[in-house]
Amino acid sequence: ILNVEQSPQSLHVQEGDSTNFTCSFPSSNFYALHWYRWETAKSPEALFVMTLNGDEKKKGRISATLNTKEGYSYLYIKGSQPEDSATYLCASYGNKLVFGAGTILRVKS
Amino acid sequence: DGGITQSPKYLFRKEGQNVTLSCEQNLNHDAMYWYRQDPGQGLRLIYYSQIVNDFQKGDIAEGYSVSREKKESFPLTVTSAQKNPTAFYLCAVEGLAGGTDTQYFGPGTRLTVL
Repeated sequence: ILNVEQSPQSLHVQEGDSTNFTCSFPSSNFYALHWYRWETAKSPEALFVMTLNGDEKKKGRISATLNTKEGYSYLYIKGSQPEDSATYLCASYGNKLVFGAGTILRVKS
Repeated sequence: DGGITQSPKYLFRKEGQNVTLSCEQNLNHDAMYWYRQDPGQGLRLIYYSQIVNDFQKGDIAEGYSVSREKKESFPLTVTSAQKNPTAFYLCAVEGLAGGTDTQYFGPGTRLTVL
């Protein structure tokens, strides 16, 4: 994988559903993996920074895992709420910070 | 982030004009970045500056210019040589969070060429 890829591109879920999405990144020359939440009309907000294989970070109902050997990270949201609606960006830091295109999450009440 | 301001929020430019986007920070960080976002694509790096009076080209620097005369300010000029300037522009500063460098973003400027 030469680029950072995120899937799915967009996701629509009902309030209360749990959901997850994927970030794939080059596993060679890896230093750190960043997750950001970007709400409409606001600045991207840093959620997590992970560096070690097997890292798991949690912030409220949101958690993320990291597998540096195979080059992927999962972001999980438990019990989605309408306020979770945003674009979730991941970025891999090797020689430089490279961003994925993001996953757009829409939570319907 | 309240420590990073970008202006204007919206900017309209006629073809052939140069325009300058402002980015100011009061976080006392050395490194500053300019990104461009287009629909369906990740943020792409235009220019970055690690220290005052020094800056480097990013992946898509053609048609853009920057200056870094003060630590607090990193303005981006979109020149008439930029063939497709309509986009959303984000400025970021880099600082330590949890022992790792993290980028913090301004609110962005949406540039439209008429």
